[in-house]
Amino acid sequence: DVKVTQSSRYLVKRTGEKVFLECVQDMDHENMFWYRQDPGLGLRLIYFSYDVKMKEKGDIPEGYSVSREKKERFSLILESASTNQTSMYLCASQGGTGELFFGEGSRLTVL
Amino acid sequence: SQQGEEDPQALSIQEGENATMNCSYKTSINNLQWYRQNSGRGLVHLILIRSNEREKHSGRLRVTLDTSKKSSSLLITASRAADTASYFCATRGYGGSQGNLIFGKGTKLSVKP
Repeated sequence: DVKVTQSSRYLVKRTGEKVFLECVQDMDHENMFWYRQDPGLGLRLIYFSYDVKMKEKGDIPEGYSVSREKKERFSLILESASTNQTSMYLCASQGGTGELFFGEGSRLTVL
Repeated sequence: SQQGEEDPQALSIQEGENATMNCSYKTSINNLQWYRQNSGRGLVHLILIRSNEREKHSGRLRVTLDTSKKSSSLLITASRAADTASYFCATRGYGGSQGNLIFGKGTKLSVKP
């Protein structure tokens, strides 16, 4: 079975802190994604990556950056966390027919 | 850039009943996928139907796709309390960034024992 592991299930940070969310997949997938999920807004794509060192902006990239130094790892970075970035963050990797395999999510609270 | 819209937003049924959820979308698609999310967890892929398919089955799940109406439905037969979750449709377009999945806002299903 494909496994997508997100480093932290729950985080509490203060405004202005730098936040790293890490995601690792074990199926050698090329495509990886970061979404955020908020009540009433559904899933929104932040960034995605089709290859190592490659990144593309999604629908809501402002305030975020990403890093993909190795194929299995895709990191989401909040350079200076703000309260409106309190959310559930979901990482996914993509299989051959286009289906996504998600991690368990990281619930971030910014105080 | 929301594509899929699920209907209803919430659905409450008794165990043993069937649950039907609908999804409408706006533009041409390569495939349409359904996902399930238990509260506070990640999404789990359920089933994928390609644009040239009309119906697909997987266990107690039945998915239909009508490309002329740009709509899909997910039927869960003989529902169980463990089916309580949110269900999302996601559409995939053709090529490049259009190949990224776009998710609807989901239907929250509650199955009462």
